[in-house]
Amino acid sequence: EAEVAQSPRYKITEKSQAVAFWCDPISGHATLYWYRQILGQGPELLVQFQDESVVDDSQLPKDRFSAERLKGVDSTLKIQPAELGDSAMYLCASSLELGLMNTEAFFGQGTRLTVV
Amino acid sequence: GDSVTQMEGPVTLSEEAFLTINCTYTATGYPSLFWYVQYPGEGLQLLLKATKADDKGSNKGFEATYRKETTSFHLEKGSVQVSDSAVYFCALSVNTGGFKTIFGAGTRLFVKA
Repeated sequence: EAEVAQSPRYKITEKSQAVAFWCDPISGHATLYWYRQILGQGPELLVQFQDESVVDDSQLPKDRFSAERLKGVDSTLKIQPAELGDSAMYLCASSLELGLMNTEAFFGQGTRLTVV
Repeated sequence: GDSVTQMEGPVTLSEEAFLTINCTYTATGYPSLFWYVQYPGEGLQLLLKATKADDKGSNKGFEATYRKETTSFHLEKGSVQVSDSAVYFCALSVNTGGFKTIFGAGTRLFVKA
């Protein structure tokens, strides 16, 4: 069964260091999302791509976060410099979005980031 | 703006009890509605969905009906099992020039044997 792949599963980094997460969506899914999930809360959208273009990054802290999806397939989310408050689960998801019948997002297992 | 509100947890039930987790939404247009489940240490999995008013989504004994008149999508299961212990998220997908999925805060369910 096709799935969204994310790596690493866990990452511990010191504050002020740079950290990067990788995501490979389900083949053929044009839409890719990065969500941040703080413990005990629902996922919060950071950035949404349609193919290689950003369609929504209104909640992305652009002074320290960046995201790219250069060839419209896999994607990288970077944080530089990391802060203690960035500790969270970072979830990648993709969707097919061929009309209203296919808008559900399929999630990877996430990367749990701990900033110390 | 578009939003999802679901009942706060945790919800603690005994095995075979009836489950209801309330979810209401605010959206412009006609959203699709979803329930996702997150087991400990894992990512979110789609549990069920409904794409138009009066649709009923169902899966693994769970069901929810899209109620446009009350803007609700409550999750129900007739007899819960210990293995249903997880966090449940209500979500909507709305077209704002590209589909956006918005999640509720989640409801943690504990089922005791």
